[in-house]
Amino acid sequence: DVKVTQSSRYLVKRTGEKVFLECVQDMDHENMFWYRQDPGLGLRLIYFSYDVKMKEKGDIPEGYSVSREKKERFSLILESASTNQTSMYLCASSFEGREFDEQYFGPGTRLTVT
Amino acid sequence: QKEVEQDPGPLSVPEGAIVSLNCTYSNSAFQYFMWYRQYSRKGPELLMYTYSSGNKEDGRFTAQVDKSSKYISLFIRDSQPSDSATYLCAMSVTGNTPLVFGKGTRLSVIA
Repeated sequence: DVKVTQSSRYLVKRTGEKVFLECVQDMDHENMFWYRQDPGLGLRLIYFSYDVKMKEKGDIPEGYSVSREKKERFSLILESASTNQTSMYLCASSFEGREFDEQYFGPGTRLTVT
Repeated sequence: QKEVEQDPGPLSVPEGAIVSLNCTYSNSAFQYFMWYRQYSRKGPELLMYTYSSGNKEDGRFTAQVDKSSKYISLFIRDSQPSDSATYLCAMSVTGNTPLVFGKGTRLSVIA
């Protein structure tokens, strides 16, 4: 069974704090993704990575950065949290190189910035 | 115009009804079309995917893609209370490029 785990289910942080969201997958997937999910807006891609130390911007990268030092771990960093970053954050992973690569999602981290 | 449009609902149906969920899209380069199901407080899970135009059936679920109309559908037959969830359509140009999601439709099946 593929497992994607996220470090916290719920997180409350103050404006201006540096926030780390961690994601780990156990299936040796090459690709990893960070999305945020907001009511009325759906899932939007923040960053993704095709390999260790590689990253690509998604649709809404502003205010975020990522780190992928090991294949199984992909971190999302909020350099200075703001209230408009209150959201559900979802991590996903997939294989690379087949005709179709299903994305497997973690359970999500609900972040509240006050 | 957003790349993928999906009516957010909510949609409420009685148990046993046939449910139709739909998405439209604007990017004619999309080739892979997916439906994800998301239960409350969980991450999305892939239900079905279709390559290009056509139909695909899996038990009570049928996915249809009409590329000429840029329209995709998911049909659920004999709906059950356990089908109550948010259904997200998603699309991509190739089978391993980033997905573009619809907003999701919240479905409630009432016993």
